[in-house]
Formats: sequence, C-alpha cells, structure tokens
Amino acid sequence: GENVEQHPSTLSVQEGDSAVIKCTYSDSASNYFPWYKQELGKRPQLIIDIRSNVGEKKDQRIAVTLNKTAKHFSLHITETQPEDSAVYFCAASINNAGNMLTFGGGTRLMVKP
Amino acid sequence: GAVVSQHPSWVICKSGTSVKIECRSLDFQATTMFWYRQFPKQSLMLMATSNEGSKATYEQGVEKDKFLINHASLTLSTLTVTSAHPEDSSFYICSAFGRPNTEAFFGQGTRLTVV
Repeated sequence: GENVEQHPSTLSVQEGDSAVIKCTYSDSASNYFPWYKQELGKRPQLIIDIRSNVGEKKDQRIAVTLNKTAKHFSLHITETQPEDSAVYFCAASINNAGNMLTFGGGTRLMVKP
Repeated sequence: GAVVSQHPSWVICKSGTSVKIECRSLDFQATTMFWYRQFPKQSLMLMATSNEGSKATYEQGVEKDKFLINHASLTLSTLTVTSAHPEDSSFYICSAFGRPNTEAFFGQGTRLTVV
C-alpha cells in the first residue's frame, strides 16, 4: 500500500519568514495530493491540493509543488503569520480525489511573532 | 464546502461500556465514509472505509468486532466502540465523500476518554 513520509516533524519560523514542508510517497499510481491544516482538537481543513497533471499550484501565500518522477511534493508558505501555527498534514490518493487518503505524519509549525 | 457533522464532540465512558459516534453529511449524499483514529501528536490513521449499504472494509490491525461500523444511509454512518478500554481513548474523526464533491470533508471529531 501507499506510504507517505513527511518532514520535518516540527518547524519553527519567525513571523514573515517562509516555511517549507516536504512529503514523499511510495505508490507511483498516486495522483491526488492534498494538504490539510489542523488546529488543536479540531478537524483537518483542506488548504490546497494538487493533481498529478500539474507541477505547481499557488493560492495567495500558499503554494504546492509536485515532482512525479521523484515522488515528492512540498508545501510552501510565504510571509508566515502567527495564525499559520498549526499541524499540517500531507496526503496522497490513487483515486484522483479526496477519498482513500494516506496521511503523512504531520508537521507542527510554530510561527513566532 | 460541504458540511459533515460528527457527534458527540467528546464523551467519557467507563471501561467495558460501548460508545456510539455518529457522522452525518448534511448537504450531500456520502457514498463513502471513512473513520480515522488520531492519538495525541500523531497522524490520522485510517480505521475503516464504509460504502452505503455494504459492510465496512477494515484496515489491518483494526478489530471489526470491536469497532462496529454501520453505513445504513447516504447521510449517516456510525462507529460503535464496544467494550471500551482506556487504550481506546483517542480522537476519532470521520470523513465523507460523495459526488459532486472532489474532496472528502471531515467531521469535527470525537474525543473519547475511557476511564
């Protein structure tokens, strides 16, 4: 089955700096890669996703890149703000949709004011 | 986005009792629902997948007789933790998927504490 590795497990940045979180996946058939933000005790919220026919996608301060050959994808957050502090999870799916997700281990992002 | 409602949001129960958690899709028909368990500071681990009207498919290591899943309608799935033990204490989250959505939406989660 699919295996998703996520690094780093914790990340501390200064407000205004950029944050990068990286994930690798094992199943070359995976074709949908969402990123979720989870605040303590709350549900994961989809923040951005990318499909295998696209190499990069951007939404304001958030961007995701995908390298299918290397089987890795990354989340980039620019101009970080304290409210970006949360746990971020990457995931992968072979169904080109948000079901049958395999999650990475999560990254705890702390943005220091 | 679509709305998935999960209840209760938290529950405390005694060892040996059973607890039922409900997951409802409020504005779409969920052909597939997923149940996850999340221990503190850990990732979401898929427990089982249920399709409406069918038996749930459990992930390896998840006891189907302990975690009973029912997906009787297109808007409701339930997870019953039977004969709960303290080690079952965790955060349980459902997600629901159904057309025309292209993503699964999560419930708000249930924090189960077994004492």
